[in-house]
Amino acid sequence: QSALTQPRSVSGSPGQSVTISCAGTSNDVGGYNYVSWYQQHPGKAPKLMIFDVNERPSGVPDRFSGSKFGNTASLTISGLQTEDEADYYCASYAGSYTVIFGGGTKLNVL
Amino acid sequence: QVHLVQSGAEVKKPGSSVKVSCRASGGSFSMYGITWVRQAPGQELERMGGFIPLLGTTNYAQKFQGRVTISTDESTTTGYMELTSLRSEDTAVYYCARFHLTSGYWLDPWGQGTLVTVSS
Repeated sequence: QSALTQPRSVSGSPGQSVTISCAGTSNDVGGYNYVSWYQQHPGKAPKLMIFDVNERPSGVPDRFSGSKFGNTASLTISGLQTEDEADYYCASYAGSYTVIFGGGTKLNVL
Repeated sequence: QVHLVQSGAEVKKPGSSVKVSCRASGGSFSMYGITWVRQAPGQELERMGGFIPLLGTTNYAQKFQGRVTISTDESTTTGYMELTSLRSEDTAVYYCARFHLTSGYWLDPWGQGTLVTVSS
């Protein structure tokens, strides 16, 4: 299974909104409503930010939202804050109790 | 709230094996699964495989088939990942994560990571 496709980097200024895309196929992103997103700060473990396309775990700010259209999922962060600067990874269920990851996107908050 | 606590850093010789543990503090893997993900220096997350205790099933990424074994011990709420025939390219941080699989599929929480260095 190939990794999902994410942009290498995105940038935004504090207070702005950014969207990170995650392109897959009908065998993963397009076939299931089970996309999740993870935030990873340098030297830290990944942290769940979104599950099941657009659900937020308790404690995750509502500035983070997810969506999906066809084979592409998206993570939108509104009201950017400096602490949002991190790597973001999407993941999708791909059948048979497996998940596949995207290549990761570095978010720069300028 | 469950926390996953992994074993400490390891330095291994090429050709040897490593076994990393992941203890669930405040919970267990019994109604979930455990997934192992690794991250080479400066690289992306890479799923190695997982085990679902409820179903007794494992599934491994093709890249690691034959070299990796993932298991859990419910009596100690601990998961394990053993990787054999180590080579320098296996130098990475290895993460465990609890795999939610009832109302959807996602990984949460994650362990703190275990650095495995393979060097002669």
